[in-house]
Amino acid sequence: DAKTTQPTSMDCAEGRAANLPCNHSTISGNEYVYWYRQIHSQGPQYIIHGLKNNETNEMASLIITEDRKSSTLILPHATLRDTAVYYCIVRLSRSNDYKLSFGAGTTVTVRA
Amino acid sequence: NAGVTQTPKFQVLKTGQSMTLQCAQDMNHEYMSWYRQDPGMGLRLIHYSVGAGITDQGEVPNGYNVSRSTTEDFPLRLLSAAPSQTSVYFCASSPRTEENTEAFFGQGTRLTVV
Repeated sequence: DAKTTQPTSMDCAEGRAANLPCNHSTISGNEYVYWYRQIHSQGPQYIIHGLKNNETNEMASLIITEDRKSSTLILPHATLRDTAVYYCIVRLSRSNDYKLSFGAGTTVTVRA
Repeated sequence: NAGVTQTPKFQVLKTGQSMTLQCAQDMNHEYMSWYRQDPGMGLRLIHYSVGAGITDQGEVPNGYNVSRSTTEDFPLRLLSAAPSQTSVYFCASSPRTEENTEAFFGQGTRLTVV
């Protein structure tokens, strides 16, 4: 699976949009971009995933560049409960198993 | 719907002791995995299973054994605990489908080896 690069940390004001970047320049054509988050040492929680089209769900939006070498997770209206470590992960689609390779992630602190 | 349940939540072991971390899921998922997370780091894959009777090693398998006799359960055994195995352990499950899906994680077992 391709490796990802994320900033170590970032701050965000409550109520504002949080834009989390991820670089995955070696991504291949059949690899998806996944985002998970981990709140205060709880088990990781799935947020969203995508292949090449932008995706949106009730939690967030995922914007993938046209060349697929980078993506941005957008939390539209950050709340204090969004303070967490956010992991950007690339994995093969339709693989015969489900393995996730976690990096160090981005520690997001939402401030009142 | 309980999801992925891990027991115990906390455990202290002495060096050399053995124990089993339990993981159960009630979603009929084929895939199950064990990860460990050391302070300030991301999760690392220990062992995984793609179905009952089938297991394989992940990134850091040494010192751990697994078995998968049923779809629901995937226990992780520490054969002879060492201080280096002090960590938080997470179990995860996901369904085997043609569509890409999410993994569901348990709340973790915090293990300290003294």
